Amino acid sequence: DGGITQSPKYLFRKEGQNVTLSCEQNLNHDAMYWYRQDPGQGLRLIYYSQIVNDFQKGDIAEGYSVSREKKESFPLTVTSAQKNPTAFYLCASSKGWESAFMNNEAFFGQGTRLTVV
Amino acid sequence: SQQGEEDPQALSIQEGENATMNCSYKTSINNLQWYRQNSGRGLVHLILIRSNEREKHSGRLRVTLDTSKKSSSLLITASRAADTASYFCATVPYNTDKLIFGTGTRLQVFP
Repeated sequence: DGGITQSPKYLFRKEGQNVTLSCEQNLNHDAMYWYRQDPGQGLRLIYYSQIVNDFQKGDIAEGYSVSREKKESFPLTVTSAQKNPTAFYLCASSKGWESAFMNNEAFFGQGTRLTVV
Repeated sequence: SQQGEEDPQALSIQEGENATMNCSYKTSINNLQWYRQNSGRGLVHLILIRSNEREKHSGRLRVTLDTSKKSSSLLITASRAADTASYFCATVPYNTDKLIFGTGTRLQVFP
C-alpha cells in the first residue's frame, strides 16, 4: 500500500539524549514536513523539505535537525538542546511546490509520541 | 507562528444537527485546506479550496472562502457520531511553500 510511515509509535528519551524519529513515504512525493503537536494545540512546523538534499527551517526549528538524503526518507533528530521535547510528532508529504500548493494535499503518518523520562 | 485561528475552540452538537467551524488567517494565500484528526492519530485531508474559489462541496462538507476577510468556514451537514474529531484549517501563504496549520476546533457529536 502507498503511504507514509512513522516509527516508532512511542518513544521514550532520557534527558540529555538525542533521539531520531523515522519518516518514510512511498508516494513518490517531493515535499516532506515535520510538525509538532502539543496537547490540545494545533500543529507547529519544525522543518520542511521540497527536494532531496535541501530543507528549510519552520517556525520552531531550534533543538531539532533533519536530513533529506533520499526522496523517500526525512528523519527528524530531537537533540538535547530541545528543552521541552515531550510532544506528538507528525510527518507529512505532498507532491511538491510546482503542483502542491495550487491543487493538492498533504498526507500524514500516524505520528510518534515522544516522552522524556 | 500560527497562520490560522479556528473558532470555536470546541463544539458539541447532537447527531443530525449541522456543525459550522470558522478559520481566520493573517496573510494572502495560495489555497486553504481543511483536515480532520481523530484523537491521537494523524491528520486526514478533507477538502482544498483555492484562493480564486469562493465555495466548494464534498459530500456532507461545504467550505467557503472569503479572501477579503481572510476567513473560511467548514460546514458539516447532518452530523454523525463518527464525525467526532478535531478539525484544522491549513494555509499555504502566498509565495511560500509552507503549509501552516491553525489551532483547531474539537467537535463532539452526541448520538
